[in-house]
Order: sequence, then structure tokens, then C-alpha cells
Amino acid sequence: EAGVAQSPRYKIIEKRQSVAFWCNPISGHATLYWYQQILGQGPKLLIQFQNNGVVDDSQLPKDRFSAERLKGVDSTLKIQPAKLEDSAVYLCASSQINTGEETQYFGPGTRLLVL
Amino acid sequence: AQSVSQHNHHVILSEAASLELGCNYSYGGTVNLFWYVQYPGQHLQLLLKYFSGDPLVKGIKGFEAEFIKSKFSFNLRKPSVQWSDTAEYFCAVISFNAGNMLTFGGGTRLMVKP
Repeated sequence: EAGVAQSPRYKIIEKRQSVAFWCNPISGHATLYWYQQILGQGPKLLIQFQNNGVVDDSQLPKDRFSAERLKGVDSTLKIQPAKLEDSAVYLCASSQINTGEETQYFGPGTRLLVL
Repeated sequence: AQSVSQHNHHVILSEAASLELGCNYSYGGTVNLFWYVQYPGQHLQLLLKYFSGDPLVKGIKGFEAEFIKSKFSFNLRKPSVQWSDTAEYFCAVISFNAGNMLTFGGGTRLMVKP
């Protein structure tokens, strides 16, 4: 079974530039999550999709971050404009559904450095 | 504020030593508890989880964790660590009072010396 795919793996940009990350979840997984993991901290949930609808985006900085999951499969996360403090690893995860008991399967992450 | 705390940020052990990593949470009500592990160069993956029933949960690779509700704790243990256990370990909690959102602790980086 193929895992969660993410691209790019690494990205270096200057502040105020824009950047986009892509995620392809495990086939058949209805729930998709984006996490931000700052160095030395645990992952923090940014947004959760159930199929193509947003379930929770309470921790997404909506003035600069946006995400979509068209057709309920792939998802993109965008930052525009980027700030220095956005330097982090962006993790995508998926699960079959979300009743609080499912295992979330994580991708390799995209490491972003904002200069 | 609701949070998940892992008090040991870095742990260094010799092979065959026993391991206990602490995890405390501040959520009330019903919780589901998880330990995830990230081996060097690999994805974050599930080590074990607790939903209900026997508070002593066994996971992969000889790991176990004990849920103590009165202490709001879910400590991870292994009787004898191996060099291959070198990794970062994350405790995570889903509180049904706070939505089905998985909240992670800050992680504990374990190094096992051969």
C-alpha cells in the first residue's frame, strides 16, 4: 500500500514570497490533515478535511495560509506571503475517517526555510 | 490551556537499559491517547494507542504504555532498549471535549548508545 506522498521535500524562499505544498493521501482515506512542526516542537494541526470539506481550521493563520482539497483527494497548502516564523516542516497525514480512534498516517513532510 | 507535556526533551541510555518516557495531559473528559515515533530519516508512525479497557497497552517493538487517569498520564515504557530504538517519541491526545483534534506533546529525543 502506497503511503502519503508530499512534494516538494525541501523548499527555500525569501520572506514575502509565496509557496505551495502538495499532498496525496493514502487511497480511500477520507480525512486529510495538515500539520506544522516547528523545530523542537511537536506537530500542530493547521487544518483538517473530511473529503473536500473543512472540518477544523481553527489554528490556520488565515491571513496568509490557505488550503484546499478539490475532489476530495489531493490537497495543497499555500502560504502567501511567507514570514520568517513559517520556517518549519509541513506534514500531511490521512486517515480513513475521523472518529478519534483511527491511526493517522503521515507523509515525509516538506521542510520549509524562509530567509 | 489544554496541553500535552513531555517533560524529558532528551534522554540518553545504554543498550539494555530500561526506558520510561513521561507524558501528561491537561484535558478533562474522555480522551484517546497515542504514542508516535519518528526514526531518523523516516515518517512519523504509530507506536501504540489507548481508547478504553485495560489501561496497560502493548505496542510494537516491545513498547508498552500505562494510562493512569487519576494522574492524567500515559507514560511509555520498554524494559530493555536497543540501539535501533534511537528516535524521537511523541505523545498525542484526542480530547472529545475539544473536538477530534490530535494534539502532540513537544517530543522526547532518545539516543541509545551501543
